[in-house]
Amino acid sequence: DAGVIQSPRHEVTEMGQEVTLRCKPISGHDYLFWYRQTMMRGLELLIYFNNNVPIDDSGMPEDRFSAKMPNASFSTLKIQPSEPRDSAVYFCASTKGQGHTGELFFGEGSRLTVL
Amino acid sequence: DQQVKQNSPSLSVQEGRISILNCDYTNSMFDYFLWYKKYPAEGPTFLISISSIKDKNEDGRFTVFLNKSAKHLSLHIVPSQPGDSAVYFCSGFSSGSARQLTFGSGTQLTVLP
Repeated sequence: DAGVIQSPRHEVTEMGQEVTLRCKPISGHDYLFWYRQTMMRGLELLIYFNNNVPIDDSGMPEDRFSAKMPNASFSTLKIQPSEPRDSAVYFCASTKGQGHTGELFFGEGSRLTVL
Repeated sequence: DQQVKQNSPSLSVQEGRISILNCDYTNSMFDYFLWYKKYPAEGPTFLISISSIKDKNEDGRFTVFLNKSAKHLSLHIVPSQPGDSAVYFCSGFSSGSARQLTFGSGTQLTVLP
């Protein structure tokens, strides 16, 4: 079975450029999460969706960050304009069911470097 | 505000011995605690969890202990194997309206052959 699929795996861009990260959750999963991992802050939740609807975006650092989930099988995280401090590994995760107890399935991550 | 703390960034143990990874939390609303394991260039994978109403959960070589009065949990790995070398994240989950998983900063475990 396919797991959570993220693309690109690596992205190097220059400050000011737009960055779009993509995620395909596991089929049948109705929760989707975007996390960011940095040395300073560890793994922090940015936003999560339930049935394609954003539920909590309080972790999104600033207006430069936006996330969408147009359908059950695709989500994007966009940074515009990007800054060097956005350099991090961005993880997408999914899970199933209202009764889930925190067991998430993570993708392999997208490593972003902003020069 | 670090709701989940892992104070040891790294731990080295000899193969075959016990590994003990520790975690402290401040949020009394967590009703599940989960350990995730992460290898380099991969995403975290779920390892084991425990409900807040339990004090122990065991799965093969892995056992998690919860001390609610001390707001402390630990992961025991016995016996440790070189393949266990990874970063271990402790996390707390609230099944209330927030339904969020909050992670600690991780502990790098190295099992020496």
